[in-house]
Amino acid sequence: QVQLQESGPGLVKPSETLSLACGVSNSSITDNYYWGWIRQPPGKGLEWIGSIFRSGNTYYNPSLKSRVTISLGTSKNQFSLKLRSVTAADTAVYFCARHQDSGHRSPLEYWGQGTLVTVSS
Amino acid sequence: EVVLTQSPATLSVSPGERITLSCRASQSLSSSLAWYQRKPGQAPRLLIYGASTRATGIPARFSGSGSETEFTLTITSLQSEDSALYYCHHYNFLTFGGGTKVEIK
Repeated sequence: QVQLQESGPGLVKPSETLSLACGVSNSSITDNYYWGWIRQPPGKGLEWIGSIFRSGNTYYNPSLKSRVTISLGTSKNQFSLKLRSVTAADTAVYFCARHQDSGHRSPLEYWGQGTLVTVSS
Repeated sequence: EVVLTQSPATLSVSPGERITLSCRASQSLSSSLAWYQRKPGQAPRLLIYGASTRATGIPARFSGSGSETEFTLTITSLQSEDSALYYCHHYNFLTFGGGTKVEIK
């Protein structure tokens, strides 16, 4: 069973950069799948942030594109998310997930449990 | 922009009942529609994709149907473990519905 686990600070100050990593087990980030980040602000719905392929090719939500970078790990089987210039509106549970196939427009087949990131001074 | 509206927001039902969750789209869509189940503290689980195909290991009492602007998730013989939030997701347009909370009495 593929497993994903998010890690990173649970508290980030406004205007700083949110950085999260997603560790992957029983699958490799070099497999033929897209890997994605999704978030859910408190009391709101899910929002796709972006996805990355083993080649490093990325797709981002247009509403976040100017502030987001998703990258593959270099020495570990993980991929990461960076969200710059955060505000309170970026407070959310952040999930990482593996898409079902080699397209970013495909179902999210495996998910991590999610990690709450709060933006506050 | 495609908007997915889920209804009802909350459903309180008894074990053994049958329920139908709705996901309505703001425009006619392809069948690239998935349903997920999310329980507190757990990873969301893919239930249905392609509007009606059950994901691996999903019991047959979960079924999906629909097309264009109206999609549904039906759960028969409800069990206590089905208490969760359910989300629809149109993965071609990369958008999610707001969710339906199912509570088992």
